[in-house]
Amino acid sequence: EDQVTQSPEALRLQEGESSSLNCSYTVSGLRGLFWYRQDPGKGPEFLFTLYSAGEEKEKERLKATLTKKESFLHITAPKPEDSATYLCAVQAGGSEKLVFGKGTKLTVNP
Amino acid sequence: NAGVMQNPRHLVRRRGQEARLRCSPMKGHSHVYWYRQLPEEGLKFMVYLQKENIIDESGMPKERFSAEFPKEGPSILRIQQVVRGDSAAYFCASSPPGQGRSPLHFGNGTRLTVT
Repeated sequence: EDQVTQSPEALRLQEGESSSLNCSYTVSGLRGLFWYRQDPGKGPEFLFTLYSAGEEKEKERLKATLTKKESFLHITAPKPEDSATYLCAVQAGGSEKLVFGKGTKLTVNP
Repeated sequence: NAGVMQNPRHLVRRRGQEARLRCSPMKGHSHVYWYRQLPEEGLKFMVYLQKENIIDESGMPKERFSAEFPKEGPSILRIQQVVRGDSAAYFCASSPPGQGRSPLHFGNGTRLTVT
C-alpha cells in the first residue's frame, strides 16, 4: 500500500530561521511527488511536482528535493506569510489518485 | 484555488438527511477528483470522474455515497442519510485532459457538519 509520512507534525520558526520539512514515502512505481500549501479554511495550493530522484525545484524561499525514499521542502529565511500547512502527496504509476501525508503545520513568528 | 468552484462552502445537515456537494472544474478541465479531509487527518481520495464516467471509485464508501459528472453542469457528490461521522471538509480538484502528469488544482472545499 502506498504511504506518505511527513515530519515534523508541527514546526515553529523565527522569521529568517531556515529549516526543512521531510516527506518519506513508499509507493509502487513513483509517477510524481507533489507539494502543496494549505491555509486555514482553504483548499491545497499547488507548489511543486518532482518526478525522479535527484530532481530539485525552487520557488521564492522554497526548494523541493527528491530522493528514492524521501523528499525535503527547504525553507530559506522564512517570513510570517509562509505560515501554513505543507502537504506532500505521491502518485503511483498507473494511478490517477494522490496519496497525501498528514502535513506539517509551519508557524513563522515575526 | 479560485479556478475550481465548490458550493456551498458550508453545509449543515441533520442525521438522516441528504447532502449534495457541487464542483465546477477549472475552465478546460474535464477530470474531476473528490477528496475528504477529516480533522487531524490527511486528505483521502474518494473518486475520480471524467465527463459522464466514473473512472476510479476505490475510495468511496460502499453505501450512501455517490458521485456524478454529467455532460453538462457541475460534478455532484451526494451523501444519503448522513451520519455524524460524515462531518468533514470535502474538496474537489480538477485537471486537464490528456496530460497524465498535470498537477491537481483544488477548490476551497465544502465543510459538512452533521448535527
